[in-house]
This record gives sequence, structure tokens and C-alpha cells, in this order.
Amino acid sequence: ILNVEQSPQSLHVQEGDSTNFTCSFPSSNFYALHWYRWETAKSPEALFVMTLNGDEKKKGRISATLNTKEGYSYLYIKGSQPEDSATYLCAFNRASYDKVIFGPGTSLSVIP
Amino acid sequence: NAGVMQNPRHLVRRRGQEARLRCSPMKGHSHVYWYRQLPEEGLKFMVYLQKENIIDESGMPKERFSAEFPKEGPSILRIQQVVRGDSAAYFCASSPPLTDTQYFGPGTRLTVL
Repeated sequence: ILNVEQSPQSLHVQEGDSTNFTCSFPSSNFYALHWYRWETAKSPEALFVMTLNGDEKKKGRISATLNTKEGYSYLYIKGSQPEDSATYLCAFNRASYDKVIFGPGTSLSVIP
Repeated sequence: NAGVMQNPRHLVRRRGQEARLRCSPMKGHSHVYWYRQLPEEGLKFMVYLQKENIIDESGMPKERFSAEFPKEGPSILRIQQVVRGDSAAYFCASSPPLTDTQYFGPGTRLTVL
């Protein structure tokens, strides 16, 4: 059974704090790792897709790293802002055009 | 280019009725995925389709659920004889050829009375 795990389940940080969370996935038969941002009452929105071990992606204050050998990815948010409050989903697939398996998400609340 | 469209946004059915959920992918997207989000849970994969083909339906319940993506028109997720446990948000996503990044629709919230 393919399982994607995310930790922590939820966290609350003060505005201006930097934070990070973890995604764990099966390290065998890896093709791609995806991060999505899901705001309340909206649809999940793609942040990054990473395919190579050691990949690092950055978009503004948000960045992500990938370790395919040990099966984990970190998402970092620098200087959190209230508008960063959302659930962050990671997902992975084993091959191109294979189904994408989502983790349960990390719910981030940034307190002004 | 309009995003992924889903309709209806909200659907109320009584036990035993049929529910039909529609998803129109983004223009140029050839792959459609359906997910279910139960209360307090994450996105659960249901089915993955290309035009006129079911690629993977391993997440679909064995009975009462079916999906199609015809050559013309939207993808349809059909739930027959709905039960209260079918109440959930159903999300559709589409992706263009040669990429796995998925673009999500706004979801259909199904309530079974």
C-alpha cells in the first residue's frame, strides 16, 4: 500500500516566524514529488513538482527540497505571513501518468 | 483559458437516488482525476481517466460508483443509490499531456439526506 505521510498535522506560528514541515514517501520506484497549497474554500493549487534527488525549488518565501534516496521532502516558509495560512499537501507518483497519491496535509495557521 | 469547471457546486440527494457530478477539464488537458474528501480527511484518489479510457480505477468503490470521460463533453462521476456515507466533497483535476501537475476544480459538495 502506497502511503504518503506528513508532519506535523497542524501548526500555529506567529507572523514573521519561519517554519518547515515534512513529507515522507516510499523511496522505491519514485518518479515525482508534488507540493500543493490548499486555502479554505478554494481548490488545491500547485506549488512545486520535483523529480531529481537533491532538487531544490523556490517561489518567493517558500522553498522545498527533495531526498529520493531516503524518501522525504521538506517545505520551508520564511517569514510567515497570515496569507500563508492554508493546508499544504504533498503528493507523489511512481511513474509518469501513474496516479498521484496525496498525503493528509499540514494545516498552517499564521497568527498576526 | 478557463480553469477546471465542476458542476453542480452543491448537490443534495436523498438516500437511494442517483448523483451525477460533472467535470470539464482545462482546454488542452487530456487527463482527468477524481478525488473524494471525507469530513476531517484528506484527498483520496478515486479514478484516473483519459478520453474514452479508464487508466486507473483502483480507488473507486466496487459498487454503485462509475466514471467516464467521453470523446465529447465533460467527465462524469456517477453514484447510484446514494447512502449517507457518500456525503463528501468530490474534486476533479486535470493535467495536460507530458506533465503530472494537476489543476483542480472547485469541487462538488454532495449531501445525502
